[in-house]
Amino acid sequence: EAGVTQFPSHSVIEKGQTVTLRCDPISGHDNLYWYRRVMGKEIKFLLHFVKESKQDESGMPNNRFLAERTGGTYSTLKVQPAELEDSGVYFCASSRIRTDTQYFGPGTRLTVL
Amino acid sequence: DAKTTQPPSMDCAEGRAANLPCNHSTISGNEYVYWYRQIHSQGPQYIIHGLKNNETNEMASLIITEDRKSSTLILPHATLRDTAVYYCIVQAGNNRKLIWGLGTSLAVNP
Repeated sequence: EAGVTQFPSHSVIEKGQTVTLRCDPISGHDNLYWYRRVMGKEIKFLLHFVKESKQDESGMPNNRFLAERTGGTYSTLKVQPAELEDSGVYFCASSRIRTDTQYFGPGTRLTVL
Repeated sequence: DAKTTQPPSMDCAEGRAANLPCNHSTISGNEYVYWYRQIHSQGPQYIIHGLKNNETNEMASLIITEDRKSSTLILPHATLRDTAVYYCIVQAGNNRKLIWGLGTSLAVNP
């Protein structure tokens, strides 16, 4: 079966621009998680979807970040407007049920100049 | 905040067992210990997990102390391809989010 995929693999944008990251979970996985690592820091949880519903978005840094999962399939994470401190690697993970193992995508490396 | 502490780096000779320790003294009774690794700039790769019993799969073994305050990941015959950053993680909360530390950078040497 196909794994978690993320697009794009890299994105370089200017401060103030908008960027949208996409995550396609493993087929049939209702749970979708977003995580982020900024340089030199540990990977941090951002939010959790069950199907199309946000279950926990306590890790979202601020209101410049908007995550959606319309239809309960793929998810997007939009950053608008991007700031320098948003640079990092954004990972998506999915699991079939909450208590299952989370499988990760390759990540999107975001650079804000 | 991270619930685990690991040594920042370790070395291991190729073909030997790699034993990676992890302390999780504040772990709660229903929280699992997960191990992932990240090879270069790839996404985190799942290795193994456990609650209180020792576990083994095709990749590794996980030994959890009886008080659950620490665990050890064992790669029985390390290869050069096992060079990676290994993360010991507590899966917490109703949504089972993963709480990451900085991991152990394992270098397998020929």
